[in-house]
Amino acid sequence: DQQVKQNSPSLSVQEGRISILNCDYTNSMFDYFLWYKKYPAEGPTFLISISSIKDKNEDGRFTVFLNKSAKHLSLHIVPSQPGDSAVYFCAASANFYGGATNKLIFGTGTLLAVQP
Amino acid sequence: GAGVSQTPSNKVTEKGKYVELRCDPISGHTALYWYRQSLGQGPEFLIYFQGTGAADDSGLPNDRFFAVRPEGSVSTLKIQRTERGDSAVYLCASSLNEASGYNEQFFGPGTRLTVL
Repeated sequence: DQQVKQNSPSLSVQEGRISILNCDYTNSMFDYFLWYKKYPAEGPTFLISISSIKDKNEDGRFTVFLNKSAKHLSLHIVPSQPGDSAVYFCAASANFYGGATNKLIFGTGTLLAVQP
Repeated sequence: GAGVSQTPSNKVTEKGKYVELRCDPISGHTALYWYRQSLGQGPEFLIYFQGTGAADDSGLPNDRFFAVRPEGSVSTLKIQRTERGDSAVYLCASSLNEASGYNEQFFGPGTRLTVL
């Protein structure tokens, strides 16, 4: 039972254009969502997050949008750069406000290739 | 300062053997997590430590898997009677785990385990 889904295994974008990565979830108890970026042979690195009380969070070129009614979030990267090429994982956590374990449930990832 | 480190970076073993994987978290981080990433999948939660105790071991797949953190810092993941299906990248993460809210998890580079 995949609680966090990334239905696009890969995405190719031209440098300077917008990259949009999508993520869907099924568990309504999730209250905190994160995006991690992963290069080969490295561990995931935190990129940006959003709590369930918000619908948008922005950090430089990266913006995450949350649509709770649709159980959908997306990551926008604009403008995209070749150095953004990596695997992007969506992750979710339950009990943010309850201070529980904060274990992360990850999607299967989307490989982003930004073409120069 | 230093990030999360994991040793060894690669481990090749034979089916039925015992292996130990080590994680050194970021100094001062009280929370420690183990995840497993199989090919083509996102990281999957295994176990969470708060200090020396395992606060959530719901992700351990069976009783061949065990983890310890005796002094609240370094952790060792132990796998008995390894099977070919145990082959994966084992990731460790640590966080401050303050009393409220979400605390970013910092990941190590992982240990790639191959069971022949």
